[in-house]
Amino acid sequence: GNSVTQMEGPVTLSEEAFLTINCTYTATGYPSLFWYVQYPGEGLQLLLKATKADDKGSNKGFEATYRKETTSFHLEKGSVQVSDSAVYFCALLYNQGGKLIFGQGTELSVKP
Amino acid sequence: NAGVTQTPKFRVLKTGQSMTLLCAQDMNHEYMYWYRQDPGMGLRLIHYSVGEGTTAKGEVPDGYNVSRLKKQNFLLGLESAAPSQTSVYFCASSRQADTGELFFGEGSRLTVL
Repeated sequence: GNSVTQMEGPVTLSEEAFLTINCTYTATGYPSLFWYVQYPGEGLQLLLKATKADDKGSNKGFEATYRKETTSFHLEKGSVQVSDSAVYFCALLYNQGGKLIFGQGTELSVKP
Repeated sequence: NAGVTQTPKFRVLKTGQSMTLLCAQDMNHEYMYWYRQDPGMGLRLIHYSVGEGTTAKGEVPDGYNVSRLKKQNFLLGLESAAPSQTSVYFCASSRQADTGELFFGEGSRLTVL
């Protein structure tokens, strides 16, 4: 079946460090892929998306590339800030009805 | 703009009690969803609706019922709460089914003792 696997957290980084959060997926066909972010005490917000192979989604300095050959959609940012501390969810979209399948989430903590 | 509003934000129930979570959206979205979030398990879809008067089961529907009598509202009911339903519940809405762009509420934390 369809599924999303993320690297386990928590991930703790110093400010200005490079960030990578790994995400791999299993799916039939060609799903669209997403990263959502959940700041403390809030609901999830869409961070970026990619709808086909080799597409790169980007937003707020974050980026992720849809790699069909490795079934991956890793999230990267060149220089993290304390305000990036949040839980990040990778997700894929399958079938009709807009049903997203989420990974388990990766908590990021950025220290000054 | 309010976006997606969930009530109540917090609730404590005893096993066997019933309750209803209300989700309201003011964006005229067709699609609405209820998810539950549990540690280490991400978000799992409980029920969803593709329009007023329609509902469908998601991944973990057992123990829950839903209704979408008005386009802007999506209700999630627990008829007989169990400790396994202790969770954070999120409502979401979207304009189209094929974009994956969901707008989430702030969540409702439910504890069942």
